[in-house]
Amino acid sequence: QSALTQPASVSGSPGQSITISCTGTSSDVGGNNFVSWYQQHPDKAPKLMIYDVSSRASGVSSRFSGSKSGDTASLTISGLQAEDEADYYCTSYTGNSAWVFGVGTKLTVL
Amino acid sequence: QVQLVQSGAEVKMPGASVRVSCKTSGYTFTMYGIVWVRQAPGQGLEWMGWISTNNGDTNYAQKFQGRLTMTTDTSTNTAYMELRRLRSDDTAVYYCARRPNYWNWFDPWGQGTLVTVSS
Repeated sequence: QSALTQPASVSGSPGQSITISCTGTSSDVGGNNFVSWYQQHPDKAPKLMIYDVSSRASGVSSRFSGSKSGDTASLTISGLQAEDEADYYCTSYTGNSAWVFGVGTKLTVL
Repeated sequence: QVQLVQSGAEVKMPGASVRVSCKTSGYTFTMYGIVWVRQAPGQGLEWMGWISTNNGDTNYAQKFQGRLTMTTDTSTNTAYMELRRLRSDDTAVYYCARRPNYWNWFDPWGQGTLVTVSS
């Protein structure tokens, strides 16, 4: 199972919105609604942000939203804040109790 | 509160085995499976496998088949991951995470365990 495709990096200024894409195939992203997103700050464990494509995890700001179209899922962060600067990973269920991660995207807040 | 606390850092020789533990608390152990994910230095997250805490069923990523074993101890609410025949490219931080049965997300995660493979 190949890793899902994400842009290596994205950037935005405080207050702006950014979108991170996550592209897979009909065997993963396109084949179900089980895409989740994780935020990882340096030297920290990942944190669940979005699950089932568009549901926000408990305690996650409404500035974070998820969507999907075909084989591509997206994470949008609106009203960028300095603390949003982190790495972001998508993951998709691939069936039979297996998952695949995206390659990760480094978000820089300018 | 829900916690997953992993064992400490390990240094191993190539060819050796490592066993990492993940002690859970704050929830009913058997209502959630456990996944293991690793992250090589400067690299992304890699899903390694999943274990059911109900019946011990497992599913391992193909690249680890034959080298990886996941187990659980329901008497201590602890999950274990053993990786054998270690190579230098197994150097990574290994994470456990809770996966609710029949759902497809991982939360929360353990703090991570650094395994260094070096001669």
